[in-house]
Amino acid sequence: EAGVAQSPRYKIIEKRQSVAFWCNPISGHATLYWYQQILGQGPKLLIQFQNNGVVDDSQLPKDRFSAERLKGVDSTLKIQPAKLEDSAVYLCASSLDPQGIYGYTFGSGTRLTVV
Amino acid sequence: GQNIDQPTEMTATEGAIVQINCTYQTSGFNGLFWYQQHAGEAPTFLSYNVLDGLEEKGRFSSFLSRSKGYSYLLLKELQMKDSASYLCAVLGAGNKLTFGGGTRVLVKP
Repeated sequence: EAGVAQSPRYKIIEKRQSVAFWCNPISGHATLYWYQQILGQGPKLLIQFQNNGVVDDSQLPKDRFSAERLKGVDSTLKIQPAKLEDSAVYLCASSLDPQGIYGYTFGSGTRLTVV
Repeated sequence: GQNIDQPTEMTATEGAIVQINCTYQTSGFNGLFWYQQHAGEAPTFLSYNVLDGLEEKGRFSSFLSRSKGYSYLLLKELQMKDSASYLCAVLGAGNKLTFGGGTRVLVKP
């Protein structure tokens, strides 16, 4: 089966600019997650979708970050405006079941550098 | 709150055994995962424990003690390709997956 697709692979922007990331989960996976992984740290959950509804966005900095999953398949994560501390890898993951007990499948991530 | 602790870095010799410990304090517990992450790549699933005891899968084994809030990942017959970060993650209340900081394992010849 095809994996979780993410694009772009790398992005360099200046602070205060905007950026968007795209994710296409595994076909049939209803649950989709966006994680932020700062260098040397574990991934931190930003937002979790079940189909096109938000399950958990408690750690999403809503003043600058937004995410949507309009048709319950693809998702986009946007940062506007970006700050230096947003430099990280943004990982998208999907799971077959809402509980995730069969494991998450992660995409290769988008490495964002804010200068 | 969620608190997951694991060592930052470990070094071992090719062919040896390494044990990576993980302790956790979380609100709710629905299972514990171990993921492997090579530099610049996505995490990949290694194991899932929800009941106490040892789960063996080839050269990798994972152990869980829920009463102690403790797990370990055991890597046997280490190979150079096992050099990677190993992430402990707990599925807590609301089925929210929280990761530890990861343990970077360096395998030397």
